[in-house]
Amino acid sequence: SQQGEEDPQALSIQEGENATMNCSYKTSINNLQWYRQNSGRGLVHLILIRSNEREKHSGRLRVTLDTSKKSSSLLITASRAADTASYFCATMRGAGSYQLTFGKGTKLSVIP
Amino acid sequence: DTEVTQTPKHLVMGMTNKKSLKCEQHMGHRAMYWYKQKAKKPPELMFVYSYEKLSINESVPSRFSPECPNSSLLNLHLHALQPEDSALYLCASSQVRLVVVPEQYFGPGTRLTVT
Repeated sequence: SQQGEEDPQALSIQEGENATMNCSYKTSINNLQWYRQNSGRGLVHLILIRSNEREKHSGRLRVTLDTSKKSSSLLITASRAADTASYFCATMRGAGSYQLTFGKGTKLSVIP
Repeated sequence: DTEVTQTPKHLVMGMTNKKSLKCEQHMGHRAMYWYKQKAKKPPELMFVYSYEKLSINESVPSRFSPECPNSSLLNLHLHALQPEDSALYLCASSQVRLVVVPEQYFGPGTRLTVT
């Protein structure tokens, strides 16, 4: 079963607006990762947040993690057309595992 | 060098053909992965190599045969594929960490079409 579930499945915003994507997961984690995939291309690692962290920033990205609710959010501020992509959260498969399980993804469209 | 390269970018093959996908990284990573991704779906793990040894096979049909000739190279040999095997095949690499899940570096993928 999918470890991560992103919400919403698709999001369309105007350039300059903020985009928020959410991810829920089912089992305990030691970190949660977010990846971006441009259409038909490989995935790019964006940010990793550890289970003992609540918030992390990287440029225009802000990630939060709530382990009590088993959820994470990715905020992209001041979006650009180049941010148009699919965004996936990923968590480890199980305790002691270094395999990733990806959520279903959010397809973000930023309209110029 | 933080790049994972994959060749070919596109591959069209018949159901009786034998072909290979190649992946290379020079980041010193000792874990390498093959994923399969269908349209509008997340990547699904196929195989994991750790220190050049196959450590995970996610019940992949034997018509897919992975090979890790050395720490920088990963191959996926294809034989007698079915049309439903058409997908984007992604290679990734990472450090090997047993406690904290490492970030993975992905190649651009090979778009495979089976006719």
